[in-house]
Amino acid sequence: AAGVIQSPRHLIKEKRETATLKCYPIPRHDTVYWYQQGPGQDPQFLISFYEKMQSDKGSIPDRFSAQQFSDYHSELNMSSLELGDSALYFCASSLGTSDEQYFGPGTRLTVT
Amino acid sequence: AQSVTQLGSHVSVSEGALVLLRCNYSSSVPPYLFWYVQYPNQGLQLLLKYTTGATLVKGINGFEAEFKKSETSFHLTKPSAHMSDAAEYFCAVSGVAGNQFYFGTGTSLTVIP
Repeated sequence: AAGVIQSPRHLIKEKRETATLKCYPIPRHDTVYWYQQGPGQDPQFLISFYEKMQSDKGSIPDRFSAQQFSDYHSELNMSSLELGDSALYFCASSLGTSDEQYFGPGTRLTVT
Repeated sequence: AQSVTQLGSHVSVSEGALVLLRCNYSSSVPPYLFWYVQYPNQGLQLLLKYTTGATLVKGINGFEAEFKKSETSFHLTKPSAHMSDAAEYFCAVSGVAGNQFYFGTGTSLTVIP
């Protein structure tokens, strides 16, 4: 079965650069969630979208923005990167208000 | 508000022994509860979930968990540990379907041969 696709899988950036992470949900899923998992930490919710509208907002820094496009894929844009942004970024998708979120493999961002 | 506490950041068991990973939750509304497993450098894989109905939930790989409202707990168990069970385990709660998940800090399970 098709799963959540995230690209790139690995990304290395320097401080103050920008990065764009992409998430392609499972076909027919219309809800996307973004999580950040720092080294040795639990995943922290950043933001979610339902039907291309922001549905919930968590601990997302102002330097980050995200959107969901007409094909339901989502992009997380990160600017003025800091060392502390180095983390594993997960995307999850669900069908509407389904209770189950399916997670992608994550994008590992390293900021040097 | 919802939150999760996982007791024990590291648990070691012998191969073939019982696995017990503890999770207590706090929720102002009836919770949806989940256990996820994460292998090194991989994403989160759903083991099992509780939404409504039967309080004993069976998941993949022989794991099960029991929702105990009176104890606000959702402990994960497996009768006999296998070497392949070594991984990081996360308990998560959400208050409403389609809402954000709140994760516990994770429990690293080591299986000793």
